[in-house]
Amino acid sequence: EPEVTQTPSHQVTQMGQEVILRCVPISNHLYFYWYRQILGQKVEFLVSFYNNEISEKSEIFDDQFSVERPDGSNFTLKIRSTKLEDSAMYFCASSPVEASTEAFFGQGTRLTVV
Amino acid sequence: AQTVTQSQPEMSVQEAETVTLSCTYDTSENNYYLFWYKQPPSRQMILVIRQEAYKQQNATENRFSVNFQKAAKSFSLKISDSQLGDTAMYFCAFMKRSGATNKLIFGTGTLLAVQP
Repeated sequence: EPEVTQTPSHQVTQMGQEVILRCVPISNHLYFYWYRQILGQKVEFLVSFYNNEISEKSEIFDDQFSVERPDGSNFTLKIRSTKLEDSAMYFCASSPVEASTEAFFGQGTRLTVV
Repeated sequence: AQTVTQSQPEMSVQEAETVTLSCTYDTSENNYYLFWYKQPPSRQMILVIRQEAYKQQNATENRFSVNFQKAAKSFSLKISDSQLGDTAMYFCAFMKRSGATNKLIFGTGTLLAVQP
């Protein structure tokens, strides 16, 4: 069964460093998302991406964040200068078409900023 | 703005028993979807069940069923014949049907422990 894959599963980075989280969505999907879950809290929407551009972003997704689909298969989330409060689980998700109601989630990347 | 509220931070149930998890939401939209996602200790988000707001019939998936009360904006999940593998965090989520991005808005979750 096709699945969304994320790498790495766990990333430890020093405060102020740049980090790139990688995702490979399901191959025929057209909509891509990043969500964040701070430990013990709810899952929060960060950004959605369609047709090579951001279609919606939340207040959390400030200038420190960017997304890219560099090669038609990967979907990346970059955090330019990490802060302690960026420590969280980051989930990538994808949906096949606009009318689709189901988002398929990856297994998540745990980001720890020290 | 839409909000999703789960008022039970933790629940416990004996194996083979039935448990109901509560969820309420607030929206001015008429067309939307509601979901229950399961997050086991592995942390992956797994879709359990989906309800379309324009359908009056409650969704059912094997041991999982919902009680959807549109007027009351309530969407509870019933798990029958609970199994140890059902132990997980359960999130209720809302999606606007007319939205271009299909983003999900999640509640704070209910941690369910199934006791042997």
